[in-house]
Amino acid sequence: AQSVTQLGSHVSVSEGALVLLRCNYSSSVPPYLFWYVQYPNQGLQLLLKYTTGATLVKGINGFEAEFKKSETSFHLTKPSAHMSDAAEYFCAVMYSSASKIIFGSGTRLSIRP
Amino acid sequence: GAVVSQHPSWVICKSGTSVKIECRSLDFQATTMFWYRQFPKQSLMLMATSNEGSKATYEQGVEKDKFLINHASLTLSTLTVTSAHPEDSSFYICSAKSAGALVTEAFFGQGTRLTVV
Repeated sequence: AQSVTQLGSHVSVSEGALVLLRCNYSSSVPPYLFWYVQYPNQGLQLLLKYTTGATLVKGINGFEAEFKKSETSFHLTKPSAHMSDAAEYFCAVMYSSASKIIFGSGTRLSIRP
Repeated sequence: GAVVSQHPSWVICKSGTSVKIECRSLDFQATTMFWYRQFPKQSLMLMATSNEGSKATYEQGVEKDKFLINHASLTLSTLTVTSAHPEDSSFYICSAKSAGALVTEAFFGQGTRLTVV
């Protein structure tokens, strides 16, 4: 079955430290990959997406993610965490432009002062 | 990016009543709309997919007679929770995308917090 796995339901880092949120997908065919951020009681905001082309994708707020086909991964990183980055992050996949979006279980990012 | 407006942002209703949630694409034609449900501290679970002018396709375990979805135009889809009960209390989010092989992104509404008392 097609799925997406986020390792770690909760990640806590210090302000200024590296942020690494992990995402793996299960598919023999590379899907379209997304990272979304959700603040409390709000909808989803797209951080970045991978469709084709360059495997290192840069998004908003200093985030980036690298598509690694050999590892079926799409981990999200940010070199230096800011307090405003505290939120819930969802990795998602879409297997064709006509298909639905499947979400991972989410990772709550906390930032320590 | 494209804008999807969801209304209301929150609603409280009495048990046994019905509630309608609207999802509008403001600046593009949404041929496909998705409805998700999110319980506290959990991920988004897809409830159904609707294509304009067609009946919605419901995910396994979702009661189609309880969660009525209408997608009568290219800019509006509605979700009606019929005979709501406290266990239907949740955060409902819609998403919309336009047609085309090159379309690789769906846009999300801001969500509706439903509380059934």
